[in-house]
Amino acid sequence: NAGVTQTPKFRILKIGQSMTLQCTQDMNHNYMYWYRQDPGMGLKLIYYSVGAGITDKGEVPNGYNVSRSTTEDFPLRLELAAPSQTSVYFCASSYEGDGGPLHFGNGTRLTVT
Amino acid sequence: GENVEQHPSTLSVQEGDSAVIKCTYSDSASNYFPWYKQELGKRPQLIIDIRSNVGEKKDQRIAVTLNKTAKHFSLHITETQPEDSAVYFCADSGAGSYQLTFGKGTKLSVIP
Repeated sequence: NAGVTQTPKFRILKIGQSMTLQCTQDMNHNYMYWYRQDPGMGLKLIYYSVGAGITDKGEVPNGYNVSRSTTEDFPLRLELAAPSQTSVYFCASSYEGDGGPLHFGNGTRLTVT
Repeated sequence: GENVEQHPSTLSVQEGDSAVIKCTYSDSASNYFPWYKQELGKRPQLIIDIRSNVGEKKDQRIAVTLNKTAKHFSLHITETQPEDSAVYFCADSGAGSYQLTFGKGTKLSVIP
């Protein structure tokens, strides 16, 4: 099993550009999550999904969108990138929905200039 | 969970000593409390977790204790080694929630 795979690993965007961060998992987990990690601030939940076709907002959803058309894939879309979105983004999945162990991808380091 | 406070933010210990990191939470109905370790430039990885029906859990040199009355839980690392140096995050799930709320992290440095 590859686990949770994120692409790209690094990306530099100009202000106002858009991009999609890809996330796929091969563990047949129903629950998937997107977190952002800023220095000294821990991890903040952006969006999550409890299954294909179902998504919901987390703590910091503004400026982002997600979709979940399949169990495996959970892409994160940034529209009109802003410097405040410079961060490291982690996708994660879990088997249990009540906060069970999260399996994280390796992260995407995004810089918006 | 609604709010998780983690202390200390940095911790330095001599190799072989013990390290303790404490987290407090606000939602009395929280029922799941994991600890993650993140090495520099890498992803967070679960090292131990505990559910609200258990007071303590051990795995070799690592243990977690939970005090539901005081609403805090702690990570204990004994006989620390240089490879224990990392940032440690606590989290709690709230009640019936799909969202983990993370603490801000503790940077542990083990001095050889």
